[in-house]
Amino acid sequence: RKEVEQDPGPFNVPEGATVAFNCTYSNSASQSFFWYRQDCRKEPKLLMSVYSSGNEDGRFTAQLNRASQYISLLIRDSKLSDSATYLCVVNPRDDKIIFGKGTRLHILP
Amino acid sequence: EPEVTQTPSHQVTQMGQEVILRCVPISNHLYFYWYRQILGQKVEFLVSFYNNEISEKSEIFDDQFSVERPDGSNFTLKIRSTKLEDSAMYFCASMGQVVYEQYFGPGTRLTVT
Repeated sequence: RKEVEQDPGPFNVPEGATVAFNCTYSNSASQSFFWYRQDCRKEPKLLMSVYSSGNEDGRFTAQLNRASQYISLLIRDSKLSDSATYLCVVNPRDDKIIFGKGTRLHILP
Repeated sequence: EPEVTQTPSHQVTQMGQEVILRCVPISNHLYFYWYRQILGQKVEFLVSFYNNEISEKSEIFDDQFSVERPDGSNFTLKIRSTKLEDSAMYFCASMGQVVYEQYFGPGTRLTVT
């Protein structure tokens, strides 16, 4: 199993729809989890941390399932500006983080 | 809002030449990182740096690579003898001590010809 695995997409979704991404990780001892977003030829930007109890930030909801070793990201009422690549990031230990390859999202007008 | 900065934004160099990529992390952060991203591929960890020494490095970070924090603000990545396959986007990141959230600079695009 890869350290961090994501469906590469692309997900082509009409504006206003809800879209969900999943990500699985292999190291059961992983401590922290994050979603980053990356626009074309730009740096990854932290979107949100993922907490055990799940957390929400506006239209974005992140959840963690430790038993099944996956995290998810839900985007409601999607906007054209949400088009980007979404990177699942896992912290297996200390300060090291591992990136998934990312899921590409295209919001269609 | 404080941010990580990197210079230059684009560096073109000939194979075999040395390059130094520069980063200014967020001022109160203590952990510093270099990553690279080959076009179309995922972000790959190169090295982490804490308390003036390397805390971890990947298999990519071989003897051709070195990092330095020459003063209180800069953090540099040196590639001694560049190869064609070193062409990539190089991102610097920094992290504070309170939460394990890393903040990335805008990157340096390195092109080796």
